[in-house]
Amino acid sequence: QKEVEQDPGPLSVPEGAIVSLNCTYSNSAFQYFMWYRQYSRKGPELLMYTYSSGNKEDGRFTAQVDKSSKYISLFIRDSQPSDSATYLCAMRGDNAGNNRKLIWGLGTSLAVNP
Amino acid sequence: DVKVTQSSRYLVKRTGEKVFLECVQDMDHENMFWYRQDPGLGLRLIYFSYDVKMKEKGDIPEGYSVSREKKERFSLILESASTNQTSMYLCASSPGQGSSVGANVLTFGAGSRLTVL
Repeated sequence: QKEVEQDPGPLSVPEGAIVSLNCTYSNSAFQYFMWYRQYSRKGPELLMYTYSSGNKEDGRFTAQVDKSSKYISLFIRDSQPSDSATYLCAMRGDNAGNNRKLIWGLGTSLAVNP
Repeated sequence: DVKVTQSSRYLVKRTGEKVFLECVQDMDHENMFWYRQDPGLGLRLIYFSYDVKMKEKGDIPEGYSVSREKKERFSLILESASTNQTSMYLCASSPGQGSSVGANVLTFGAGSRLTVL
């Protein structure tokens, strides 16, 4: 079993839809949770960052962490064609030893159709 | 505005050739990383460095080596390229562990797509 599981999709939605992207994980030591967005032929860029449990909102994007269920989500409201990209989750533990290493999901490919 | 620069976007090499992939960052970051990205396998860490002249193996270091002689430059070396090293190679950097938040924020380059024939 992988430490981080992410459905690769592809996910195709109409413009304006609410998109839900998810990752599950197995390591209860994970404390830092990130979502990166990667456009075609580009490197990933940080989209959202959350420490421990709870929600974080930034414009049309909301990141949720449920540590009791070992589940994180990224919601995109009013999705736009410019949101079409691959979304990767990443997470890690505290600063000690191997917990410093980021563990990545495989990424979910999203297409938002006009 | 480019902060992490990878020297080559596309390379085509022959089996057995020595390949150098260069990465330069201008953000004075302590940490630098080399990943490869393959369909169905995601991002896999090859090597990383937390300081000048320091390197640590990632998850798939076999067939690769690295060099970090200056803080801003991290080079990936394929001593004898093989076809199974055909991939997208991504360099990234992040601030040091003194900032636990910043250390998680990786800035990636645009990638180098290597084809080994």
